[in-house]
Amino acid sequence: DAGVIQSPRHEVTEMGQEVTLRCKPISGHDYLFWYRQTMMRGLELLIYFNNNVPIDDSGMPEDRFSAKMPNASFSTLKIQPSEPRDSAVYFCASSLVNTEAFFGQGTRLTVV
Amino acid sequence: KQEVTQIPAALSVPEGENLVLNCSFTDSAIYNLQWFRQDPGKGLTSLLLIQSSQREQTSGRLNASLDKSSGRSTLYIAASQPGDSATYLCAARDSNYQLIWGAGTKLIIKP
Repeated sequence: DAGVIQSPRHEVTEMGQEVTLRCKPISGHDYLFWYRQTMMRGLELLIYFNNNVPIDDSGMPEDRFSAKMPNASFSTLKIQPSEPRDSAVYFCASSLVNTEAFFGQGTRLTVV
Repeated sequence: KQEVTQIPAALSVPEGENLVLNCSFTDSAIYNLQWFRQDPGKGLTSLLLIQSSQREQTSGRLNASLDKSSGRSTLYIAASQPGDSATYLCAARDSNYQLIWGAGTKLIIKP
């Protein structure tokens, strides 16, 4: 397995634009996590899914953020409209309930 | 609510020393505890996973222990090398299956 795959690796966008981040979890994993990491706030859980169902989205900062998991092999995190304070590295991770969580390489988002 | 703490926040030691990184958690009802390393500008790499029923796990020069009763885990690094320089994070899998993270220990190994 190629591991957790995220795209794009880097994204630079203008304030107000829509941004979509993508994640392909490891095949067979039933948990998927979206995190945001900044120097100031460290690693923050945004939302996680179990069997494609969102379980806890209390970490989603505001209504501008939304996440979907239409099937077991794909998830998206969308920001609309984007703002400069959304600039961060966004990580996706997947696991089974009691196994290691594996992370993607992250998407570095810069909103100018 | 589960809270995870890592002490120290930063550590600098000469090459070749053995060292211990600490991770504590407030709720012993965890499924497992995982140690990660993160290099600057990179993603998180899993190092070791300890299940709640286990006491320790080893991988090469790394040994992680778990004491649920005291709410502690340690990561032991033997014969440290400059390549071990990174930020080390621990995460406890809580009763809701979430990963609860420590803030990390930034480790610098001086040649």
